[in-house]
Amino acid sequence: DTAVSQTPKYLVTQMGNDKSIKCEQNLGHDTMYWYKQDSKKFLKIMFSYNNKELIINETVPNRFSPKSPDKAHLNLHINSLELGDSAVYFCASSQNRDEQYFGPGTRLTVT
Amino acid sequence: DQQVKQNSPSLSVQEGRISILNCDYTNSMFDYFLWYKKYPAEGPTFLISISSIKDKNEDGRFTVFLNKSAKHLSLHIVPSQPGDSAVYFCAAEGSARQLTFGSGTQLTVLP
Repeated sequence: DTAVSQTPKYLVTQMGNDKSIKCEQNLGHDTMYWYKQDSKKFLKIMFSYNNKELIINETVPNRFSPKSPDKAHLNLHINSLELGDSAVYFCASSQNRDEQYFGPGTRLTVT
Repeated sequence: DQQVKQNSPSLSVQEGRISILNCDYTNSMFDYFLWYKKYPAEGPTFLISISSIKDKNEDGRFTVFLNKSAKHLSLHIVPSQPGDSAVYFCAAEGSARQLTFGSGTQLTVLP
C-alpha cells in the first residue's frame, strides 16, 4: 500500500532517446514535486505542481516536461536525453508544509 | 551556491551514545527547517521539523535545535540505535514552500 510510487525504478537508455517516469500518490495531497539527486548527492527541486497547476519551475532544460493529468499523478517526460541527465529522480507529495512524502526514486542511466 | 550545508559527509557513533548532526544555512529568509532520513534504494522520509519561531523541537529520541543568529541547526539522536544508520538530510524552506536540501550526512551506529 505504497503512498508515493514511481515507475520504473531503474531506467537505462541511450543518448538522444525520449523517456518518461511516472509518479502516483494515494495520499490525497494537493502538491506534487520532482527532485533530481545528482552525483554529489544534492537533492534539487525541479518542478512543483499544486492541483495540476505548475507553481515551481526551477532552471531545468526545456527537454524536461512535467505532466499532471490529475492531482494524484505527476509524470516527468524527458526528450533528447543527455549523459548529464543521469541521476536519481524522486517524486514527492505534500498537503501542508510539515513534510513531503517521497517516492523510492528512479535511477536513470544514460549511455 | 549552497544555501544549506552539511559539512560532515559521515559520522560514526557507538550504539547508546548521542549522535549530533549539524547543518548550516546562509539564506536568512528560510523560516522552516526539516530533517529527512534516507535508507539505500529508498526515498527520504520525514523525521522532524522546526519553525524559525522556536529554538528546540523534540520527538522521542530526536531533538532538533535551531540557532538563528548563527544560522545553524543540529539534530540530536539519543540513544543512538543501529537502525538509525542512514543518510540524514537537512532541508530549509522559505515562503515559496520550496525545500532546499543539504548534501547529507551518512550516520553509522556501531553495535
